[in-house]
Amino acid sequence: GQNIDQPTEMTATEGAIVQINCTYQTSGFNGLFWYQQHAGEAPTFLSYNVLDGLEEKGRFSSFLSRSKGYSYLLLKELQMKDSASYLCAVRVYSGAGSYQLTFGKGTKLSVIP
Amino acid sequence: DTEVTQTPKHLVMGMTNKKSLKCEQHMGHRAMYWYKQKAKKPPELMFVYSYEKLSINESVPSRFSPECPNSSLLNLHLHALQPEDSALYLCASWAPGGEQYFGPGTRLTVT
Repeated sequence: GQNIDQPTEMTATEGAIVQINCTYQTSGFNGLFWYQQHAGEAPTFLSYNVLDGLEEKGRFSSFLSRSKGYSYLLLKELQMKDSASYLCAVRVYSGAGSYQLTFGKGTKLSVIP
Repeated sequence: DTEVTQTPKHLVMGMTNKKSLKCEQHMGHRAMYWYKQKAKKPPELMFVYSYEKLSINESVPSRFSPECPNSSLLNLHLHALQPEDSALYLCASWAPGGEQYFGPGTRLTVT
C-alpha cells in the first residue's frame, strides 16, 4: 500500500513564499503529482516529478527526492487566490497498462493580507 | 483540447432512482478513471478503465456500475444509492507519461 503525509493546514502572508512538504512510502513508485483544489471545485494539475530534482512552472516549483521519499511544492509571490487545498499524490503502476494515483489528505493553505 | 467534460453538474436522486453520470474526453487518452470525493477529504479511486477494459475496481459496492462504451466516453450508472453516497464524483483521463486531467465533477445528493 501507500502512505502519504502532508501537513493539514498552513498559513502564509500575501507576497511571501511557502513550502508544502510531502513524504511518502510506496512500492511501484512512478511519479509524484501536485494538485490545487478550491472548495467545491475539481482538482487542477500543478506539477509532477518523475526524476529527482526541481521542476519550475512560473510561481510554482516542485522538488522530488526518491531516495528520501520526499517532495515539496514551493509557491512564490503568494496571492490571495492561492488559498486552497494542495494535494500531493503518488502514481504507481497497477498492471494491465494502468496507473493509479493515491492522494495525501491535502494541505489547506490560507493566504492572509 | 485538454478538457474532460462531465454531465450533469448537479444531481439529486432518491434512494430508489436509477441515474447515470457521463464523462467525455477527446484527447485520445486510453485510461479513464472515476473518483469519489467527500467534503474535506482527498479523492478516492473507484474504477480504472484501460483501453476500454475495466482494470481496477477498488471494492466499490455494486450499486455503482461503470461502463466504457468507447475510448472517449465513460459512464457511471447509479441504482439504489444510500445517503452516504452523496459526494462529488470526479472523472479523469490520462495520457501515458503525462498528466492526469480531471473533469469538473458531478455533485450528487442522495435523499
